[in-house]
Amino acid sequence: QSALTQPASVSGSPGQSITISCTGTSSDVGSYNLVSWYQQHPGKAPKLMIYEGSKRPSGVSNRFSGSKSGNTASLTISGLQAEDEADYYCCSYAGSSTYYVFGTGTKVTVL
Amino acid sequence: QVQLVQSGAEVKKPGASVKVSCKASGYTFTSYDINWVRQATGQGLEWMGWMNPNSGNTGYAQKFQGRVTMTRNTSISTAYMELSSLRSEDTAVYYCARALRNFDYWGQGTLVTVSS
Repeated sequence: QSALTQPASVSGSPGQSITISCTGTSSDVGSYNLVSWYQQHPGKAPKLMIYEGSKRPSGVSNRFSGSKSGNTASLTISGLQAEDEADYYCCSYAGSSTYYVFGTGTKVTVL
Repeated sequence: QVQLVQSGAEVKKPGASVKVSCKASGYTFTSYDINWVRQATGQGLEWMGWMNPNSGNTGYAQKFQGRVTMTRNTSISTAYMELSSLRSEDTAVYYCARALRNFDYWGQGTLVTVSS
């Protein structure tokens, strides 16, 4: 099972919006509404930001939103802030034999 | 509050095995799967497998089949991940994560270094 494809890096200025894509296949992203997104700061454990494609856990800012179209999921960060600078990973359920697959990861830089 | 506390860093020689523990608190241990994810230095996240603490059922990524074993001790709300036949490429931070179709709480990570 190959990793989901994400851009290596995305950057934006404070206050801007950025979108990170996560491209899979019809066997994972395209088949299930079970894409989640994780934020990871250096030296820290990942943190759940979006689950089931577009739902936000309690405590996560509404500046983070998720969507999906076909085999591609997306994470949008609006009103970019310095604290959003981190690595972001998508993850999709891929069925009862492969189970889960992560994306390649995207480094977000706030200019 | 939900917490997953992992065991400390390990240094192992090639060919050896390592067993990492993950102690859960703040919720009913048997109500959520425990998954294991690893991350080599400077690399991305890699899913390794899952375990249902209630039944003991497991599912492993094909890459680790035959080398990984996930177990639990429900009396102390602790999950374990054992990886055998270690090689240098297994040097990574290993995380446990609580899961119900997404990984909502994570342990702090355990660095496993494989070096001769």
